[in-house]
Amino acid sequence: EDQVTQSPEALRLQEGESSSLNCSYTVSGLRGLFWYRQDPGKGPEFLFTLYSAGEEKEKERLKATLTKKESFLHITAPKPEDSATYLCAPRDAGNMLTFGGGTRLMVKP
Amino acid sequence: GAVVSQHPSWVICKSGTSVKIECRSLDFQATTMFWYRQFPKQSLMLMATSNEGSKATYEQGVEKDKFLINHASLTLSTLTVTSAHPEDSSFYICSASPGRGSGDEQYFGPGTRLTVT
Repeated sequence: EDQVTQSPEALRLQEGESSSLNCSYTVSGLRGLFWYRQDPGKGPEFLFTLYSAGEEKEKERLKATLTKKESFLHITAPKPEDSATYLCAPRDAGNMLTFGGGTRLMVKP
Repeated sequence: GAVVSQHPSWVICKSGTSVKIECRSLDFQATTMFWYRQFPKQSLMLMATSNEGSKATYEQGVEKDKFLINHASLTLSTLTVTSAHPEDSSFYICSASPGRGSGDEQYFGPGTRLTVT
């Protein structure tokens, strides 16, 4: 059974304080790992897809990396508008996404 | 591009009534649509997958007679919650993919908040 664990569950940062979010996964036949941002009361917004270990992708202050067992979402010099819940979801050989519990990020000015 | 809409954005209904939620892909044809449920402070749980023109595939534990899914066209899927009960109150989110299965990125709708009184 596919398993996904995100840590920490919640993270409070001061504006400008860089940090990393972790996504640990056990998936049979990984076919991509997806990162989404979700604001309260809204649907997830697509951020990145990573397909192979060692791959990295960047978007503004966010950078996602992937190993065979984990993915990290690094946030550099965050701003209050980066506050949201970040979800990771690996896709297995059956093409199904399994969502992690998310990390709720709060950035204080 | 890749915009998915849902209607309504929120709905309140009485116990025992049925509620229909629409999911539309606005600027692409969605071969596959997915329905998720999300309880407060929890992650998304897949309920069912539907391919246009065929019956939906439900996840284990999801009652197919209670959650009716119709994917009648390449741009529209509907979820009907029949004989709703308070425990069905949740945030329902659809997503759409231009490919079969989950072969392509899924684009999510804004969600529908259902409250059953």
